[in-house]
Amino acid sequence: KAGVTQTPRYLIKTRGQQVTLSCSPISGHRSVSWYQQTPGQGLQFLFEYFSETQRNKGNFPGRFSGRQFSNSRSEMNVSTLELGDSALYLCASTPSGVTDTQYFGPGTRLTVL
Amino acid sequence: GENVEQHPSTLSVQEGDSAVIKCTYSDSASNYFPWYKQELGKRPQLIIDIRSNVGEKKDQRIAVTLNKTAKHFSLHITETQPEDSAVYFCAASKGQAGTALIFGKGTTLSVSS
Repeated sequence: KAGVTQTPRYLIKTRGQQVTLSCSPISGHRSVSWYQQTPGQGLQFLFEYFSETQRNKGNFPGRFSGRQFSNSRSEMNVSTLELGDSALYLCASTPSGVTDTQYFGPGTRLTVL
Repeated sequence: GENVEQHPSTLSVQEGDSAVIKCTYSDSASNYFPWYKQELGKRPQLIIDIRSNVGEKKDQRIAVTLNKTAKHFSLHITETQPEDSAVYFCAASKGQAGTALIFGKGTTLSVSS
């Protein structure tokens, strides 16, 4: 089975722009979670989607949003980018949403200039 | 909300020695505790996990112990090898719908030969 994939792998944006990141879960996995990883804050939970519904949300401003499609692929969007949004954005998928073993993608490295 | 503290932040050992990383959590409702290993430039990978109905779990050179009363859990690596060098993250989850993992800040393990 193919693993979790994320596109693009690298992005450079300027302040004020917006960005959309994509995540394709392992085939058959219905839950997708997003995490932000930075050297200072570590891995922080952004949100989780299951069957196209956001089921849980972390403590991030409304500039961070996401969605999930009927094929379980997920996108996250960050509007009005700030320098502090520079990070590695990781998504993870789980088989059914009630199991907890999360399989991570390789991440998207976002740099905001 | 849940808070996970992880210690130490860095750990240096000689090849063949044992390494222990400790985590404490705040939410007594948490019942799933995975450990992830992240090598430089790579995605986090699950190395072992434990659920609250078990006190200890072992997989070859890796073991995890859980003390629910004290709300702490530990990762033990025996007979360390240079390839064990990486950043290790502990996490906690309530294991319910939403599957949000709350991570510790990570431990950088260096194994010198």
